[in-house]
Amino acid sequence: GQQVMQIPQYQHVQEGEDFTTYCNSSTTLSNIQWYKQRPGGHPVFLIQLVKSGEVKKQKRLTFQFGEAKKNSSLHITATQTTDVGTYFCAGPAGYSTLTFGKGTMLLVSP
Amino acid sequence: DAGITQSPRYKITETGRQVTLMCHQTWSHSYMFWYRQDLGHGLRLIYYSAAADITDKGEVPDGYVVSRSKTENFPLTLESATRSQTSVYFCASSEYRNYGYTFGSGTRLTVV
Repeated sequence: GQQVMQIPQYQHVQEGEDFTTYCNSSTTLSNIQWYKQRPGGHPVFLIQLVKSGEVKKQKRLTFQFGEAKKNSSLHITATQTTDVGTYFCAGPAGYSTLTFGKGTMLLVSP
Repeated sequence: DAGITQSPRYKITETGRQVTLMCHQTWSHSYMFWYRQDLGHGLRLIYYSAAADITDKGEVPDGYVVSRSKTENFPLTLESATRSQTSVYFCASSEYRNYGYTFGSGTRLTVV
């Protein structure tokens, strides 16, 4: 069935460094969504990308949807300790459900 | 997001007991979901519902039962709890199909 793979599983950076996580699907996606989960918290919806090649920015976060609509990336510029958490991508898996990648855990050291 | 609440936040139960996890949302969202989150497995869909009285199985439905008699409530029942069901359970809702899930705060369930 539909699978969404994320890399890396884990990344540890120094505050101020950049961070990127990648998401790859085995099939073409109608949209891709990104969520953030703080340690001990619940996933929080960040953004949805729909169009081929789409790029969206939220302050220091840049989200990109690939031309073939099978991959996506989230880039954080100049990380801060508040960016700590696990970032998940998710794509439609059926008529009304999402399948989530296993996430990339980001640790930021001050 | 105070609009979707899960209870209890923590639960310890014994193997073989029945336990129900509650989920309530105040937005009248059509879609509701139950996920479990385990280390190494990420978020896995247990059951979902597209509307009141409409439910369907997800990826890992065995050992679980759901109902949705009212739009705002979507309880998840473990009929006879097993240790493998120790997990963090998240309920989520969505106004539109395949868009922007809002998650509850989760229930951490331990089966001993």
